[in-house]
Amino acid sequence: DTAVSQTPKYLVTQMGNDKSIKCEQNLGHDTMYWYKQDSKKFLKIMFSYNNKELIINETVPNRFSPKSPDKAHLNLHINSLELGDSAVYFCASSQVGTRRDTQYFGPGTRLTVL
Amino acid sequence: LAKTTQPISMDSYEGQEVNITCSHNNIATNDYITWYQQFPSQGPRFIIQGYKTKVTNEVASLFIPADRKSSTLSLPRVSLSDTAVYYCLVGDDKFYFGSGTKLNVKP
Repeated sequence: DTAVSQTPKYLVTQMGNDKSIKCEQNLGHDTMYWYKQDSKKFLKIMFSYNNKELIINETVPNRFSPKSPDKAHLNLHINSLELGDSAVYFCASSQVGTRRDTQYFGPGTRLTVL
Repeated sequence: LAKTTQPISMDSYEGQEVNITCSHNNIATNDYITWYQQFPSQGPRFIIQGYKTKVTNEVASLFIPADRKSSTLSLPRVSLSDTAVYYCLVGDDKFYFGSGTKLNVKP
């Protein structure tokens, strides 16, 4: 009965490959997010979607492309993976995306690029 | 953006009360203060949110002075399972989790 789920949990791949991470939330929330947590544990937002519409797009390389087929899903596709992409990627969701919103995070996907 | 400052790490022993203070000198009038907890290999989890004075729930208390330039997360009688990183977020910074405060609870 997981609120925010991500697949896969671990992803090991070679440089130059293309990979996708999937995220689903069953909370009925309108807003979903992708975060990247680096080795120093800084957690930085990458993208935010509200009702399938992109509302936040931080300075993320074009190789990263989010896709939201419906408001319960937000997938992250990464092209031409680089060593620096190795990190833990978290998906999150919140009710409407306002300042007071509580964000609910998924378990994370640990991406290792060799 | 309201910027927050918290200690990088803290140590405590089981059964003690732990207070983690966060400074946010540039907090805006309509900003709320939110704390999250992150266990190793998990995503952050909401703990508590407040605007002023004191807020208490089953997990923690949040103390906010009148000038709102700081806030203190209070964890009563911590156990080993409270070992985690605690993040303080304010207003528009709600998308920017810094390095947080790593709390290490010892037996």
